[in-house]
Amino acid sequence: NAGVMQNPRHLVRRRGQEARLRCSPMKGHSHVYWYRQLPEEGLKFMVYLQKENIIDESGMPKERFSAEFPKEGPSILRIQQVVRGDSAAYFCASSPSYQQGGNSPLHFGNGTRLTVT
Amino acid sequence: QKEVEQNSGPLSVPEGAIASLNCTYSDRGSQSFFWYRQYSGKSPELIMSIYSNGDKEDGRFTAQLNKASQYVSLLIRDSQPSDSATYLCAVNLLTGGGNKLTFGTGTQLKVEL
Repeated sequence: NAGVMQNPRHLVRRRGQEARLRCSPMKGHSHVYWYRQLPEEGLKFMVYLQKENIIDESGMPKERFSAEFPKEGPSILRIQQVVRGDSAAYFCASSPSYQQGGNSPLHFGNGTRLTVT
Repeated sequence: QKEVEQNSGPLSVPEGAIASLNCTYSDRGSQSFFWYRQYSGKSPELIMSIYSNGDKEDGRFTAQLNKASQYVSLLIRDSQPSDSATYLCAVNLLTGGGNKLTFGTGTQLKVEL
C-alpha cells in the first residue's frame, strides 16, 4: 500500500496517560502535516514537518503536544497527560516537498480516533 | 472573518439534480484550491484541484474559480445518493507555508431519492 499509513486506527487512553500516534507518508513524499478534527467540526491544522525539522507548528497547543519526524521511521504526534477534550480524530497527510511539487494537494491517511475516558 | 468560509448546510438536493457548493477565502494572493469529500467517520478524499480562473471539469464534477471575487465553487451534476457526504474546501493561503492547506468547516450534502 503506497498511501499514507497511520496507526493505530483507534486508541483509548485514560485521563493523564500518554498517546502516541504514528504516520508514515506516501512513498516519495517528504513532508508531513497533522490535522485534528473534533466531532462535527472542520479540519484544524496542527503542525507541518519535514525530516528532522519542524516547519510550522502554529496550530499546536502550547502544552502537552509535540511532534517529530525523525530521519528514520514514521512521524510521531505525542500527547502527554491526555484530557477528555483531546478526544478527536487525528489525521496525517503528506505531500512532496514544495520545490518538487509546489501547489500539490495533501493526501490523507485513515486517521487515528483517540478516545480519552 | 474566517480564512476559508463555507455554509455548513445541510444542502439537500433531489437525485439527478445539480448540487452547488460554495466557498470564499480571505487571502487574495492564494494560488491553489482543492475540494475534498469526507464520508462520516472516514478520511478526506481529494476530488478536485483548481489553480486558474475559470472552470475545470472532471466527470460529473466542475470546479469554478474566481480569484477577483475570492470565490471557489464545486458543481456536482446528476447527483447520486452516494454523493451524500461533507465537502471540504481547502486553500493554500499565501500566508501558509509549503503545501499547508487551510480548510473550511465543510458543507454537508444530502442527495434524496
